[in-house]
Amino acid sequence: QQQVKQSPQSLIVQKGGISIINCAYENTAFDYFPWYQQFPGKGPALLIAIRPDVSEKKEGRFTISFNKSAKQFSLHIMDSQPGDSATYFCAASSASNYQLIWGAGTKLIIKP
Amino acid sequence: ETGVTQTPRHLVMGMTNKKSLKCEQHLGHNAMYWYKQSAKKPLELMFVYSLEERVENNSVPSRFSPECPNSSHLFLHLHTLQPEDSALYLCASSQDGGQGASEQFFGPGTRLTVL
Repeated sequence: QQQVKQSPQSLIVQKGGISIINCAYENTAFDYFPWYQQFPGKGPALLIAIRPDVSEKKEGRFTISFNKSAKQFSLHIMDSQPGDSATYFCAASSASNYQLIWGAGTKLIIKP
Repeated sequence: ETGVTQTPRHLVMGMTNKKSLKCEQHLGHNAMYWYKQSAKKPLELMFVYSLEERVENNSVPSRFSPECPNSSHLFLHLHTLQPEDSALYLCASSQDGGQGASEQFFGPGTRLTVL
């Protein structure tokens, strides 16, 4: 119940295309869903986050779509660029527990 | 220095060695974390300190021993490790407002290899 399942494990997208990474969860108490981006040799950094009172949040080329009934959320990267090549992690937590539950990560490669 | 720093960046140790990892945060946060990152697996939370008190210990073997002398510094003392402990060890900090998770700021990690 505490797991967050992330897919795909790896993804190759052409420059200018749309990258889509999906996550699913079981715990209905989760109310905070961040996405972190990690470049080689660096720690993860917060990219964008959403709470379940909205179904979508957009920041520049990055959009989180949230489906509460399906218990799924996804990251969309529009006009993907080679600089977006990184590993992306979804995570979730509940108000009663500050601990983040992490997905296994998606290695994204954007081909020039 | 800004953000979260970790030293050393790389460490190779034998199974009988004793070593320590150091983390320092320059963000004025009140919570610090140790994570273990292994390939193709979710980040594993090892320890959490809030206001310098350990609030979480996720069934981590006793060969890992954390220490938080103040809100800016966090150590992970290592002894008699096993080869399966080889991984990237990440330190993070956050401002814990007592209302669920907040943004965590990560250091670059220490790449540990146990021979």
